[in-house]
Amino acid sequence: AQSVTQLGSHVSVSEGALVLLRCNYSSSVPPYLFWYVQYPNQGLQLLLKYTSAATLVKGINGFEAEFKKSETSFHLTKPSAHMSDAAEYFCAVRTTCRRALTFGSGTRLQVQP
Amino acid sequence: EAQVTQNPRYLITVTGKKLTVTCSQNMNHEYMSWYRQDPGLGLRQIYYSMNVEVTDKGDVPEGYKVSRKEKRNFPLILESPSPNQTSLYFCATFGTDTEAFFGQGTRLTVV
Repeated sequence: AQSVTQLGSHVSVSEGALVLLRCNYSSSVPPYLFWYVQYPNQGLQLLLKYTSAATLVKGINGFEAEFKKSETSFHLTKPSAHMSDAAEYFCAVRTTCRRALTFGSGTRLQVQP
Repeated sequence: EAQVTQNPRYLITVTGKKLTVTCSQNMNHEYMSWYRQDPGLGLRQIYYSMNVEVTDKGDVPEGYKVSRKEKRNFPLILESPSPNQTSLYFCATFGTDTEAFFGQGTRLTVV
């Protein structure tokens, strides 16, 4: 079975500071990993995805994530936070044999001026 | 433009009154799925469909029904809604690529 753990349901950073959102997964087979962002009253937008190519994945809006198999992690980072980054972020895993996405519980990012 | 369209976007209903949330996609994808989103729980899969006339339960199927009579449509049916089904619902579709496409969501309140 696959599962996702996101550490920290709320993260607050200052504008211009580093953003680090943590995600650990468990999967018995090689996974596909995703980060989605949800702005208030909107649907989910794909930020980036890992599909067994490069371990460092670059996404939209300056975000990137690194797949670390030894740590079973896929943490999301952005060097400098912007006010517009305030949203909820979801990590998700999908295995090669199942198309269902399993989501973490989400992390709400606040950006302070 | 690739789209997953859900209707309605917002719905308030009373306990026990049957309702249907529609989902339609224009990408000719075989796989479609319904999720519910609740605070602190992320998104959980309700039902999914691998193809026309093929549906199966996800992680939280109790109180829901689905049907897949055509490839593009995958309605979610609540025969007798209860307050614990108050939630934000998302329809999603997956192609042969790895990426999922989500609808805009339906916010359901059952009073």
